[in-house]
This record gives sequence, structure tokens and C-alpha cells, in this order.
Amino acid sequence: GDSVTQMEGPVTLSEEAFLTINCTYTATGYPSLFWYVQYPGEGLQLLLKATKADDKGSNKGFEATYRKETTSFHLEKGSVQVSDSAVYFCALTQSSNTGKLIFGQGTTLQVKP
Amino acid sequence: DTAVSQTPKYLVTQMGNDKSIKCEQNLGHDTMYWYKQDSKKFLKIMFSYNNKELIINETVPNRFSPKSPDKAHLNLHINSLELGDSAVYFCASSPPASGTITDTQYFGPGTRLTVL
Repeated sequence: GDSVTQMEGPVTLSEEAFLTINCTYTATGYPSLFWYVQYPGEGLQLLLKATKADDKGSNKGFEATYRKETTSFHLEKGSVQVSDSAVYFCALTQSSNTGKLIFGQGTTLQVKP
Repeated sequence: DTAVSQTPKYLVTQMGNDKSIKCEQNLGHDTMYWYKQDSKKFLKIMFSYNNKELIINETVPNRFSPKSPDKAHLNLHINSLELGDSAVYFCASSPPASGTITDTQYFGPGTRLTVL
């Protein structure tokens, strides 16, 4: 079945460091890909998404490019802030329109001043 | 105004009890979901309703029963609670998917259920 694999966390960075969180997927067809973020004590919020190959999603300085050839959707940010500390989830959903999101295991990011 | 709300935020109860978690969305969305997040933060879908009709029912014990009185509400009732039911439960909603584009899901703040 479809699945999403993220890099193991936690990831600890200093403020202004470069961030990469790896995400690869296994899916039939052409899924849509998402990054969701969960701040402490809160629900998930959509960070960015891409719906077809080579699309780049971006928001709040974060970017991810849908790479079909490597089945990847890595999250990057050039300069992280303490306020970016959160759990980041990569997810996919199929174009069958049931809307079912399949999540990776989540990666905890801690940014230190 | 809160887009997707859940009550209660925290729920502590004894094994064997029956409890309900309520979810409401004021976004006018057609589809609502329940997800379970375990202690390792792993998220898995449980149910999905579209216009009050069940469309996703993952492998969930039949002690869990979703109820959708209208398309703005999706409640989760759990019978005979077990220790393993302890988790954070998230409700979400999404608008109708247009063509092959699957739209964003909007999540509630979660309900932390602790079974003692």
C-alpha cells in the first residue's frame, strides 16, 4: 500500500541554520504531497503542498519540490528561527478523492537561539 | 471564529467506560475525518464522512462509532474504553475535491484521551 517515510528526528539546529527534512513516498499513480506542521499543544496546519511532478510548494520561507523520479518531497528552509520548533509531517493523498491522508512518522525540529 | 473545534480538549476516564468526542466545523466543508495520534506522534486515519455518508472506515475496532448528524458535525463515540485507546484524536475537514486536485484538510486542536 501507499506509505511515507521521513527522516528520523529529533533534529536540533541553531537559529539561522539551513534545514532539510527528508521525505520519500511509495504510491501508485500520481498522489498529491503535503507538509503539515504541528506546534506544541496544537493541531496540524498545512505548511505547503504540491499536486504534480516538478511542482514546488512554498510558504513562510519553507520549500519542497515534488520529485517523481526520486519519489521525494524534501522540506527545506534557508534560515530557521526558534519559532519554527515543531513537529513536521510529510503526507500524501491519492487522486481517488477519498481525501485519505497518509502521514509519515513526523520529524521533531528544535531550534536553539 | 474557530474553524474546526473539538470538545473536550482533555478527557480522562476509567477503563470500560463509554465516552464521546464532539467535532464541529464552520467552514462549510463537505468532508470530515477522524485521525488518531499515538504516543510516538504517528497519525492514522480512522474514519471519513462526506455529506453525512461514511466513505472511509479503516481497520478500527467496532467499539469506535462515528456519528454525523449533519455535515458540520462528526462525533466519535467510544464504547468499553481500553488502555490502548489513550491517544490524541484529531478531527479535520476539507472542501469537495475539484477534479483530481485533492484539497487541504483543516485540523481541530485535538482531544487528548487518557484511559486509566
